[in-house]
Amino acid sequence: DAKTTQPPSMDCAEGRAANLPCNHSTISGNEYVYWYRQIHSQGPQYIIHGLKNNETNEMASLIITEDRKSSTLILPHATLRDTAVYYCISSGNTPLVFGKGTRLSVIA
Amino acid sequence: EAQVTQNPRYLITVTGKKLTVTCSQNMNHEYMSWYRQDPGLGLRQIYYSMNVEVTDKGDVPEGYKVSRKEKRNFPLILESPSPNQTSLYFCASSLWGHYEQYFGPGTRLTVT
Repeated sequence: DAKTTQPPSMDCAEGRAANLPCNHSTISGNEYVYWYRQIHSQGPQYIIHGLKNNETNEMASLIITEDRKSSTLILPHATLRDTAVYYCISSGNTPLVFGKGTRLSVIA
Repeated sequence: EAQVTQNPRYLITVTGKKLTVTCSQNMNHEYMSWYRQDPGLGLRQIYYSMNVEVTDKGDVPEGYKVSRKEKRNFPLILESPSPNQTSLYFCASSLWGHYEQYFGPGTRLTVT
């Protein structure tokens, strides 16, 4: 079973920031938080990962709480092409386990 | 271009007829894995391989076989396919530590 909890769906207006929450209250000290997304039936795409510090790349920002029990993926200016299922995964040296993710709909 | 390729992309077959779905990556990745995706069940791992000749079962290995004779290839074998193996299959690869897994485009399999 996935060790993370995400809302099943969210909407976001085009051009606004999309903030996707994830709860991983049982995360252990050596486990990272990963985010992937899947657009329609394409292969999942890696977005970002972090351990305890906040991270930013060209796609998104990852904010991890100080106690590491939750995180938020931020897409700063959502576009229609960001409509996808977003998966939050916590994992150490074991294979990634994908949960059901959050279906983000970006609305024009 | 760095990529994971899968063949075929679409396959319709009949119960019991052995088939192989190929997966190849050109990034010299050690880690490769197979997933299946079904409506309402999300992505579930079938098998994974940490390097050549090293494979291990994932969450749903029954009815599948894999082999890893070369680093770049990781074929998925269905010796006797059944209708409950109708699904969308993804192959993925990464460097060991799998921070960033690269996924193939998927193979849609229908078993009648």
